[in-house]
Amino acid sequence: DARVTQTPRDKVTEMGQEVTMRCQPILGHNTVFWYRQTMMQGLELLAYFRNRAPLDDSGMPKDRFSAEMPDATLATLKIQPSEPRDSAVYFCASGLDARRDGVCEQFFGPGTRLTVL
Amino acid sequence: AQSVAQPEDQVNVAEGNPLTVKCTYSVSGNPYLFWYVQYPNRGLQFLLKYITGDNLVKGSYGFEAEFNKSQTSFHLKKPSALVSDSALYFCAVRDDLKVTGGGNKLTFGTGTQLKVEL
Repeated sequence: DARVTQTPRDKVTEMGQEVTMRCQPILGHNTVFWYRQTMMQGLELLAYFRNRAPLDDSGMPKDRFSAEMPDATLATLKIQPSEPRDSAVYFCASGLDARRDGVCEQFFGPGTRLTVL
Repeated sequence: AQSVAQPEDQVNVAEGNPLTVKCTYSVSGNPYLFWYVQYPNRGLQFLLKYITGDNLVKGSYGFEAEFNKSQTSFHLKKPSALVSDSALYFCAVRDDLKVTGGGNKLTFGTGTQLKVEL
């Protein structure tokens, strides 16, 4: 049963610290998405990759957030320095964009619950 | 710009009764529409999608959705609700790439909490 995995599941840190969240997409999927979910803003797309290349990161605060795919089996989302307003659940999702038009079912990981004190 | 609205924060239904979760959208060109479900402390799970073709789309767990172009709606339905259907439901939309020229952003609605009671 193929699943998207995310680590850590929970992270509590202090303001100013660096946070790195990791995601392993489903093997064979060629698109990866990072979302942030909060009560106030709902679900927001932060960034997405196709074939490891970043296609859109316009939803991501550039000064402190960065997203990368070092290889096809790993996607990372980094926050440096972290702030209390970054507290949220961060989801990674992957999909197979076989049509090259981006219309693909997205499979979500369980999320990383981040709390910045 | 694409947008989606879920006008109800919560829907309460008795088990065995039909349920409807509403969604309306705004896109450039033809819409690509999705429904996802989120159970507590879990990621979103795909339920169904509409890209083209039959306006009535059938999905997982007995859910279906009806695409209505004139009303720009894509309501989620189930003939007989179960207590286990209680969850947070998200409608999402993506516009036609040919019109906008790129981008694969799914815009999600704010979610509708479905509560099915005995």
